Amino acid sequence: EAQVTQNPRYLITVTGKKLTVTCSQNMNHEYMSWYRQDPGLGLRQIYYSMNVEVTDKGDVPEGYKVSRKEKRNFPLILESPSPNQTSLYFCASSYSGTGFTETQYFGPGTRLLVL
Amino acid sequence: DQQVKQNSPSLSVQEGRISILNCDYTNSMFDYFLWYKKYPAEGPTFLISISSIKDKNEDGRFTVFLNKSAKHLSLHIVPSQPGDSAVYFCAASAWGSNYKLTFGKGTLLTVNP
Repeated sequence: EAQVTQNPRYLITVTGKKLTVTCSQNMNHEYMSWYRQDPGLGLRQIYYSMNVEVTDKGDVPEGYKVSRKEKRNFPLILESPSPNQTSLYFCASSYSGTGFTETQYFGPGTRLLVL
Repeated sequence: DQQVKQNSPSLSVQEGRISILNCDYTNSMFDYFLWYKKYPAEGPTFLISISSIKDKNEDGRFTVFLNKSAKHLSLHIVPSQPGDSAVYFCAASAWGSNYKLTFGKGTLLTVNP
């Protein structure tokens, strides 16, 4: 089954404790992206990756890191989480083969609470 | 600066009637528009899209209309069904923007039986 998976689905942590949210897709997609969803703000892009070893900042990259060492994986790293990073996080991927905006497929989401 | 606006946080309609969800945008460089549907505890799923070279696109019960001069698009669902109850996000992208999607805040649609 074609899908985007995220782990963990729920996470409670404390300020300053480094954490990683994993994202994996099995569709051989080149493009992957991270979003956060906050009440009243919709979905905002954090980082995206056009291909292996190619990443760039989205609209709200502060406090986050990403890496793309393999095509299928795109982990989101919070080196020193703060309470304002409490949010619902979504990973997404798309083929990006044609040059036009491709349909992005989203993972189920990771709900993060930073105390 | 909010480039994609969904001014109605919520909409309630009766089953069988038409649902119309609206979206406005300010960036004239946007040339591709998408609607996503999101159920609670799930990720958004793609619903329908439209390129700026068209003014209408249909897929079953779902039709998206684009008015470029007004920078406005709308999603029509006919007939509405209770299973359509979800949050609907409008999204847009610009050619050459590295596939970056800009989302609106979403509209919660409730279809009452």
